Amino acid sequence: RKEVEQDPGPFNVPEGATVAFNCTYSNSASQSFFWYRQDCRKEPKLLMSVYSSGNEDGRFTAQLNRASQYISLLIRDSKLSDSATYLCVVIGTGNQFYFGTGTSLTVIP
Amino acid sequence: AAGVIQSPRHLIKEKRETATLKCYPIPRHDTVYWYQQGPGQDPQFLISFYEKMQSDKGSIPDRFSAQQFSDYHSELNMSSLELGDSALYFCASSFWGIMETQYFGPGTRLLVL
Repeated sequence: RKEVEQDPGPFNVPEGATVAFNCTYSNSASQSFFWYRQDCRKEPKLLMSVYSSGNEDGRFTAQLNRASQYISLLIRDSKLSDSATYLCVVIGTGNQFYFGTGTSLTVIP
Repeated sequence: AAGVIQSPRHLIKEKRETATLKCYPIPRHDTVYWYQQGPGQDPQFLISFYEKMQSDKGSIPDRFSAQQFSDYHSELNMSSLELGDSALYFCASSFWGIMETQYFGPGTRLLVL
């Protein structure tokens, strides 16, 4: 079983829509969680960290549920520029980064 | 601001050849990580170095080796290349202890024919 599981999508949503991505992780001892964004053929870039108390940055909200080992990302008022692959990342034992397979988002005009 | 530099950006090799990928971390970053991302796959951690010593090892094949030099740049050496080694290879850097914030380089796209 992979350390991190994500719904690969693709998600095709109209501009202005709200979209949510989910991610589950298998190692209950994991301590740190992130969402990265990766544009086609480009490097992953940190979007935001995920905390149990929730983390909001403009139109983006990330949430962590430790009991269910579940991470979410909510994007409100989607923009065309939000089109990308969103990678869920978990730091496991040994301080290794474990990436999910990514969820593809296309925002349609 | 200076970012992680990787070279070459693109590389074409034939089976059984060798390849060397280079990574120059962000200035003052002391930790370097290597990842392999196959087509349609998520990045897979290969290996990391802190202060020129291997700090962690992931799914790096025995045919690959890596090291970090005194100027903190790192090289990934790949021998006996196989078709399945075709992938995007990312290097990332961070401060040790703040490894949550890894900054990724643009990647080297390796194609093995």
